[in-house]
Amino acid sequence: KQEVTQIPAALSVPEGENLVLNCSFTDSAIYNLQWFRQDPGKGLTSLLLIQSSQREQTSGRLNASLDKSSGRSTLYIAASQPGDSATYLCAVTISGSARQLTFGSGTQLTVLP
Amino acid sequence: NAGVTQTPKFQVLKTGQSMTLQCAQDMNHNSMYWYRQDPGMGLRLIYYSASEGTTDKGEVPNGYNVSRLNKREFSLRLESAAPSQTSVYFCASRDRGTNQPQHFGDGTRLSIL
Repeated sequence: KQEVTQIPAALSVPEGENLVLNCSFTDSAIYNLQWFRQDPGKGLTSLLLIQSSQREQTSGRLNASLDKSSGRSTLYIAASQPGDSATYLCAVTISGSARQLTFGSGTQLTVLP
Repeated sequence: NAGVTQTPKFQVLKTGQSMTLQCAQDMNHNSMYWYRQDPGMGLRLIYYSASEGTTDKGEVPNGYNVSRLNKREFSLRLESAAPSQTSVYFCASRDRGTNQPQHFGDGTRLSIL
């Protein structure tokens, strides 16, 4: 059974700092990995999707990497801002006709002004 | 540009009552999903529908039923609510193709007393 782990569960950094969020998964047989952002009381917003054949994806200040063989992904946030404060979840798409997602429990990020 | 719409946003039930959570998407997506999110945990898949006319169990289906009414709508029913079903419920949809991201609604916050 695929298990996804995110460490740390919570992270607090001063504004302007570069930071890395970590995600690990137990089964390398994935189609892709997604990073989501969740604001309090809201749904999930997809930030980046990395296909299994890719090593990284970039969007603005965000860069996500994928190392399938070691079962790891990182989300790098450059020059963090208070508006980046949210919970960040990673999820892997496992085999199956409906492409179900298996989620980690998230990292709650607070960027202090 | 509604995306995925869930109703209601909040609901309080008494143990043993029944309820149907509604979900509709306007993106002509084939696949739809129901997840629950509990404190400190990632999202867990309850049921999914790979295409109109099909439904399948996910990781935590006990106590729930679903109906894929048409391509747009996918409902989740609690026949006899239990306190353990207190959670935030998210609906998602996804277009065809292995590397299409899932799009999420804003959730239904359900409390069962």
